Amino acid sequence: AQSVSQHNHHVILSEAASLELGCNYSYGGTVNLFWYVQYPGQHLQLLLKYFSGDPLVKGIKGFEAEFIKSKFSFNLRKPSVQWSDTAEYFCAVRGDGNKLVFGAGTILRVKS
Amino acid sequence: ETGVTQSPTHLIKTRGQQVTLRCSSQSGHNTVSWYQQALGQGPQFIFQYYREEENGRGNFPPRFSGLQFPNYSSELNVNALELDDSALYLCASSLVDEAFFGQGTRLTVV
Repeated sequence: AQSVSQHNHHVILSEAASLELGCNYSYGGTVNLFWYVQYPGQHLQLLLKYFSGDPLVKGIKGFEAEFIKSKFSFNLRKPSVQWSDTAEYFCAVRGDGNKLVFGAGTILRVKS
Repeated sequence: ETGVTQSPTHLIKTRGQQVTLRCSSQSGHNTVSWYQQALGQGPQFIFQYYREEENGRGNFPPRFSGLQFPNYSSELNVNALELDDSALYLCASSLVDEAFFGQGTRLTVV
């Protein structure tokens, strides 16, 4: 069975700090990987996705993620966070079928 | 806005009752998935419908059931509600590889 582990449940950063959110998944086959963001009071939105090819993928709002197959990881990064990045971030994997398996989420608070 | 709309936005039900949640998918999307998001957790897959047929199911009991209509809208039905069914229920529609989520229905069972 697939599973996703997100390393930190709460992260607090100051504006302009760099961000890295960890994500590890458990699945032996070919996977599609996603990061979703949920801003306060809003729906889940796709930040970026990896299906194949270049393991460094760039998403919206300056986010990027690197797929490291040997480590079963798909960490999310942003060089300089803004107050508006305050949100909850979910890593998800799609393996068998079309279902998405989500991690528990990381709540990011950016202090202005 | 994703074009995926869910109704109602909030709902309070009593234990043992039945509830129906509705989802209108984004135009042209023929696949609808339902997820349950309990407080402090990530969304958990309930089931998926593709062209009106159930096309995958997560680890949820049979009292969770669904329908998809010819216009690809969908319903989630939950019978014999339990307190642990209190959660945010999310609908996602997709055509190929990206799922678009609605804002969810917050269900509280008392």
